[in-house]
Amino acid sequence: QKEVEQNSGPLSVPEGAIASLNCTYSDRGSQSFFWYRQYSGKSPELIMSIYSNGDKEDGRFTAQLNKASQYVSLLIRDSQPSDSATYLCAVNGRSNYQLIWGAGTKLIIKP
Amino acid sequence: NAGVMQNPRHLVRRRGQEARLRCSPMKGHSHVYWYRQLPEEGLKFMVYLQKENIIDESGMPKERFSAEFPKEGPSILRIQQVVRGDSAAYFCASSIQGENTEAFFGQGTRLTVV
Repeated sequence: QKEVEQNSGPLSVPEGAIASLNCTYSDRGSQSFFWYRQYSGKSPELIMSIYSNGDKEDGRFTAQLNKASQYVSLLIRDSQPSDSATYLCAVNGRSNYQLIWGAGTKLIIKP
Repeated sequence: NAGVMQNPRHLVRRRGQEARLRCSPMKGHSHVYWYRQLPEEGLKFMVYLQKENIIDESGMPKERFSAEFPKEGPSILRIQQVVRGDSAAYFCASSIQGENTEAFFGQGTRLTVV
């Protein structure tokens, strides 16, 4: 079992709809969870961080964390074509400073 | 406030040569991480450094690869005697603290070994 799992996609969502991205992790001791966006050929860009159970909203983005079920999700409201990218989930590993990365979900927003 | 700066952006080396990748962290950041990414694959942790110290190099190959973060100057990832399999994007990230804090990435160095 991979430590951090994401559906590789591609996930295709019509413009204006809600895009839902999911991530599961195996280490119950994980405390920090991050979502990064990576455009093709570019570096990862931090979108959201979440540390406690529940929802955290920032503009069109909402991160959701459920430690009991060991999943973290990212919702993107009013999806735009510019949201088309690969979204990477990262979770802190057994050593707190080391992030364990999912392989990413490719999101395509169709106009 | 400048972000994480990496150079060069693109590096071409012949097999057997040395590659030196540089990373200057964001101002105020003393924690540096190096990652490697192959096309269509996720990020692979290589090494975590603080000023003058290697904290964790568990993701770095034992041979040919080394990293440093001197008291003055950028962090350096050095690859000796490069092989074609070293061709990848190498990203550096920095953070204020090591634990549970947000890391910000540089633009990466794309290494091509010919």
